[in-house]
Amino acid sequence: SQQGEEDPQALSIQEGENATMNCSYKTSINNLQWYRQNSGRGLVHLILIRSNEREKHSGRLRVTLDTSKKSSSLLITASRAADTASYFCATYGQNFVFGPGTRLSVLP
Amino acid sequence: EAGVVQSPRYKIIEKKQPVAFWCNPISGHNTLYWYRQNLGQGPELLIRYENEEAVDDSQLPKDRFSAERLKGVDSTLKIQPAELGDSAVYLCASSLGVLVGYNEQFFGPGTRLTVL
Repeated sequence: SQQGEEDPQALSIQEGENATMNCSYKTSINNLQWYRQNSGRGLVHLILIRSNEREKHSGRLRVTLDTSKKSSSLLITASRAADTASYFCATYGQNFVFGPGTRLSVLP
Repeated sequence: EAGVVQSPRYKIIEKKQPVAFWCNPISGHNTLYWYRQNLGQGPELLIRYENEEAVDDSQLPKDRFSAERLKGVDSTLKIQPAELGDSAVYLCASSLGVLVGYNEQFFGPGTRLTVL
């Protein structure tokens, strides 16, 4: 059974706009990770946030974690066409569980 | 630094035939994972190794799937016999360890299996 659930399932934006994706999960976790997958580079780790952290930044990425609501969000600022990909959240509690992903399309 | 290596990249077989996938993780990574990914879905963990020990294989269909990680380095995932529903991409990943904050995973390119 999948624990992480991303929302929305698909998102289409213009280059330069911000993209926000959400992830909800069901049980307690140690950390939550976001990954990107496109046909050219496969699955790539983006950022990891521990359960005792609330916010983390990496370049144009901002991740928040709310353990009371069992949810996380990934914000990509100033999006580029190269950001077009599927984005997955993965929770680590007793094991690793990936969500079904959000398909992001950034239009030039 | 070399990434996670998988072979073959593509495999087409007929149902009931056996098939094997090979993975070489990043040097020094103690934890190795095998995932299955169906089209349009996220990866599903099949098995996780800590060195040579399989510590999480709850999602591995043990009637037809088997895996091994000899000497705690390379790993092989086998399906025998394959069924039509096994068509998917099989991904291998590795990480330094499973300790909190150190388990970001590095994925290989995957093996795309087609069962006819």
